[in-house]
Amino acid sequence: GNSVTQMEGPVTLSEEAFLTINCTYTATGYPSLFWYVQYPGEGLQLLLKATKADDKGSNKGFEATYRKETTSFHLEKGSVQVSDSAVYFCALSSTGNQFYFGTGTSLTVIP
Amino acid sequence: DTGVSQDPRHKITKRGQNVTFRCDPISEHNRLYWYRQTLGQGPEFLTYFQNEAQLEKSRLLSDRFSAERPKGSFSTLEIQRTEQGDSAMYLCASSYTGTSNQPQHFGDGTRLSIL
Repeated sequence: GNSVTQMEGPVTLSEEAFLTINCTYTATGYPSLFWYVQYPGEGLQLLLKATKADDKGSNKGFEATYRKETTSFHLEKGSVQVSDSAVYFCALSSTGNQFYFGTGTSLTVIP
Repeated sequence: DTGVSQDPRHKITKRGQNVTFRCDPISEHNRLYWYRQTLGQGPEFLTYFQNEAQLEKSRLLSDRFSAERPKGSFSTLEIQRTEQGDSAMYLCASSYTGTSNQPQHFGDGTRLSIL
């Protein structure tokens, strides 16, 4: 079946630190992979996506590379800001009909 | 593009009452999804529509839950005889079917609290 496993949080970093949030997946076929971000009291917003192996998604300084050999899609950012504090969700879709989300990783960035 | 709109943002009701939520998707999107999200968890799929047809339902969607999208535009999710366990954030998302998996665009959700 399809599933997503994310590293457990919460994660607390100082401003300008390097961020990695691990995500691995199990899927049938060749899924598309996504990272969503959720700010307090809001819905999920698409952060970036990758639709095939070795694709790199990037947005707002965040990057993630679709690694088929390790079934991973780790999220990275070189220098986090306080405004990056949010919950991050890794997700996959095999058919486009249904998305499978990880449990989310809470990030707090302190000045 | 006004985004996905959900109404109400918050709903507090007593156990046993019926509640109905509304979702207005992005206008050109033909797919509409409902999810449930509990504290500390990711969204869990409930059901989705392509135009007015309900094409898939999760096992989470008990017979107390019903969703409609009568004209292929807005959708409603009704929960009958609410229970404590129904307390959650209900999220709606929409997307457009294309040649590859399109991302889903989410509304801000309806938070349901059962007293």
